Amino acid sequence: NFMLTQPHSVSESPGKTVTISCTRSSGSIASNYVQWYQQRPGSAPTTVIYEDNQRPSGVPDRFSGSIDSSSNSASLTISGLKTEDEADYYCQSYDSSNLVVFGGGTKLTVL
Amino acid sequence: QVQLVESGGGLVKPGGSLRLSCAASGFTFSDYYMSWIRQAPGKGLEWVSYISSSSSYTNYADSVKGRFTISRDNAKNSLYLQMNSLRAEDTAVYYCARAPPLTWYENDYWGQGTLVTVSS
Repeated sequence: NFMLTQPHSVSESPGKTVTISCTRSSGSIASNYVQWYQQRPGSAPTTVIYEDNQRPSGVPDRFSGSIDSSSNSASLTISGLKTEDEADYYCQSYDSSNLVVFGGGTKLTVL
Repeated sequence: QVQLVESGGGLVKPGGSLRLSCAASGFTFSDYYMSWIRQAPGKGLEWVSYISSSSSYTNYADSVKGRFTISRDNAKNSLYLQMNSLRAEDTAVYYCARAPPLTWYENDYWGQGTLVTVSS
């Protein structure tokens, strides 16, 4: 099994761009799709990126996902930050035994 | 529209049992993999289990294997999680979630969750 490590928190100003990383501890990040979920306080998670870089309908194109094999990590980038983007963000993938793995989550503060 | 409504949470003593249910509507339930995912108070998300559309395949996190059993009744559009030998560390909000068509490894719709508290 492997772990997905995210920064505990990030903060940035409205209108700016922020990137949240998700580093896979073993095995290639490119081997299995990565998803990103947004969770606002008191609410269930919603998908903002699926299959590494795909955006569900209704998610603004300010949200983008990417994979970097050199750092063995996935990234979620949010541009043109809005106060409504303030939330917890979780990356998620799976392993060769078909077990699902979540990252520890990153609290995004937009100030 | 897709709706997932969990029920069955509550307060249970360590070593006790509880059965969670998830009522699905707005889609052809029997076509989709379904999952349970939990979140301890103030903590992150933890995958618990998933089940294939026909119940032929299930998988569990190591932390619950042998204690929890996932099942479904496609005729009733319902997903279940039987939880036995409960421990304090099982205290969490339990979400049911649907996987998109032809996948099992992601979730596109989530319920609002049901709280399970394990305490004496």
